[in-house]
Amino acid sequence: AQKVTQAQTEISVVEKEDVTLDCVYETRDTTYYLFWYKQPPSGELVFLIRRNSFDEQNEISGRYSWNFQKSTSSFNFTITASQVVDSAVYFCALSSPSGYALNFGKGTSLLVTP
Amino acid sequence: DAGVIQSPRHEVTEMGQEVTLRCKPISGHDYLFWYRQTMMRGLELLIYFNNNVPIDDSGMPEDRFSAKMPNASFSTLKIQPSEPRDSAVYFCASSLTGPQGRDGYTFGSGTRLTVV
Repeated sequence: AQKVTQAQTEISVVEKEDVTLDCVYETRDTTYYLFWYKQPPSGELVFLIRRNSFDEQNEISGRYSWNFQKSTSSFNFTITASQVVDSAVYFCALSSPSGYALNFGKGTSLLVTP
Repeated sequence: DAGVIQSPRHEVTEMGQEVTLRCKPISGHDYLFWYRQTMMRGLELLIYFNNNVPIDDSGMPEDRFSAKMPNASFSTLKIQPSEPRDSAVYFCASSLTGPQGRDGYTFGSGTRLTVV
């Protein structure tokens, strides 16, 4: 069975602070894929990144960065110099060729205040 | 591309009524997923299709729920009869190749269903 745990339910930071959202996953598959999605207050789900289990390189996209560590089964997401527009619920998800659907964590609600 | 299109955006219905939610996936995408989002249970997979064929419907709560995909450009999720506990946001998503694709899964804007 696959499981994604996002232990942080809510995080509140002041603008320009750095913030890291944690994601821990469980799977028996050797090939799997990890995702992050953003759900702003408007409600849509926005794809941020996908990572496969064979690529442990960290990735940076502007103020966003992702740290994938197979040794600890974690795929953490860091926002540098946070902005009010980053306020949203962020979901980590897991999928594999044995079951194509995304298994989502419960999400972390991030509030960035001015 | 217009993305994944869901209709209606909002639906309010009385308990016992039939409800039909609609989804148009991105053209060319072979995979279509229906998810339900509630505060208590988060995002749950209901069913997904590959090339219009249902592959996994283990998430469909009970016989009151049914989903169809008569062609590559249209899918419906029907609840009959509806109950207050069905109140949730229902998302449709599509994907070109499943998780192997670098572009992830594209979600529609969702249908907010309220059953009173």
